[in-house]
Amino acid sequence: DAGVIQSPRHEVTEMGQEVTLRCKPISGHDYLFWYRQTMMRGLELLIYFNNNVPIDDSGMPEDRFSAKMPNASFSTLKIQPSEPRDSAVYFCASRLAGNTDTQYFGPGTRLTVL
Amino acid sequence: DAKTTQPPSMDCAEGRAANLPCNHSTISGNEYVYWYRQIHSQGPQYIIHGLKNNETNEMASLIITEDRKSSTLILPHATLRDTAVYYCIVRVRNGGSQGNLIFGKGTKLSVKP
Repeated sequence: DAGVIQSPRHEVTEMGQEVTLRCKPISGHDYLFWYRQTMMRGLELLIYFNNNVPIDDSGMPEDRFSAKMPNASFSTLKIQPSEPRDSAVYFCASRLAGNTDTQYFGPGTRLTVL
Repeated sequence: DAKTTQPPSMDCAEGRAANLPCNHSTISGNEYVYWYRQIHSQGPQYIIHGLKNNETNEMASLIITEDRKSSTLILPHATLRDTAVYYCIVRVRNGGSQGNLIFGKGTKLSVKP
């Protein structure tokens, strides 16, 4: 398996623009997680899905952020409008329900908002 | 979730064992100890987890004290590629939102030639 795939790997945009980050989880995994990492706040969970349904979005910073999972193999995290403070590395992770709780992380998307 | 305390940084000589400590004095009976690491510019990577028995896999060993208030991750023969930030996390297994990973600041391990 190719692992968790994220695109783009790098994104530079201007303040006010819409940004869409994409994630393809490992095939067969039931859970999908979106994290954000900054120097100041470390690695934070934004939202997670189970069987394509959002379960906990309490980590989403504000209404400018939204996430969807239209099917088991694809999820998006959208920021509209983007702000400079949204600059961070965004990670997607997935895991299989059951006895193991191991999360597998993607390579991340480095977002820079100018 | 129980809080964990880790030293901010450690050094280790290449080829020697790296012993990374973690304190989790408020851990509850249904919480597991997980270790992840993050190599620079990569996503976090699962290493090992345990409840109360010592565990070993191809990457590392996990030693948990009998009272479960602390643990040590052991990399038996550290290499330069083991340079990373190591996170100790305690969480409820299969616990829904209670089982989410909460990453602290971790320990930055530097393996030196």
